Amino acid sequence: NAGVTQTPKFQVLKTGQSMTLQCAQDMNHNSMYWYRQDPGMGLRLIYYSASEGTTDKGEVPNGYNVSRLNKREFSLRLESAAPSQTSVYFCASEAGDSNQPQHFGDGTRLSIL
Amino acid sequence: QKEVEQNSGPLSVPEGAIASLNCTYSDRGSQSFFWYRQYSGKSPELIMSIYSNGDKEDGRFTAQLNKASQYVSLLIRDSQPSDSATYLCAVTDSSNYQLIWGAGTKLIIKP
Repeated sequence: NAGVTQTPKFQVLKTGQSMTLQCAQDMNHNSMYWYRQDPGMGLRLIYYSASEGTTDKGEVPNGYNVSRLNKREFSLRLESAAPSQTSVYFCASEAGDSNQPQHFGDGTRLSIL
Repeated sequence: QKEVEQNSGPLSVPEGAIASLNCTYSDRGSQSFFWYRQYSGKSPELIMSIYSNGDKEDGRFTAQLNKASQYVSLLIRDSQPSDSATYLCAVTDSSNYQLIWGAGTKLIIKP
């Protein structure tokens, strides 16, 4: 019963490198989300996908791109990593009904030097 | 900008006492309200959801909602050291149904 699976769990990058964070859910959820969480701050929405084939910007989209590959998978790409993108990244999914809660993956801890 | 406000804490409560966590929100049209628990270094975990005014109880946890005052709270009875965590309040944005998150309250249960 995996729920939401994120890979990798940890990553260290150099400034200017690119990478893709992977997220997959096995709950047949329609909506998926990418958040970042910085110390002392709440979750900030980067991008979301309300359904397969759609993506929308959240509160802090600059420097990121996303792909909703299929209903299960939603990836987050950093094209040219910057130290300001050092953070913990969480993927979440939700059935798609506004009354349903979001379920989170374990997170990716990303450091950019 | 729509906001959810929580006291950052830390809130220190003796073991066995009642812990009371509070959250206020600005979006008067919000319909769904959630409390998540987040242990240090872990991901948020849903512990309570509430949708209508009043109280909702689940074991040692009680969520209270007052839409007129735009206030939602979480009570934890018989607090245990394992309840020590950061508690996040989340509220749906009435314009797009996304969640608006508070920054969280750090709760410490002292043995």
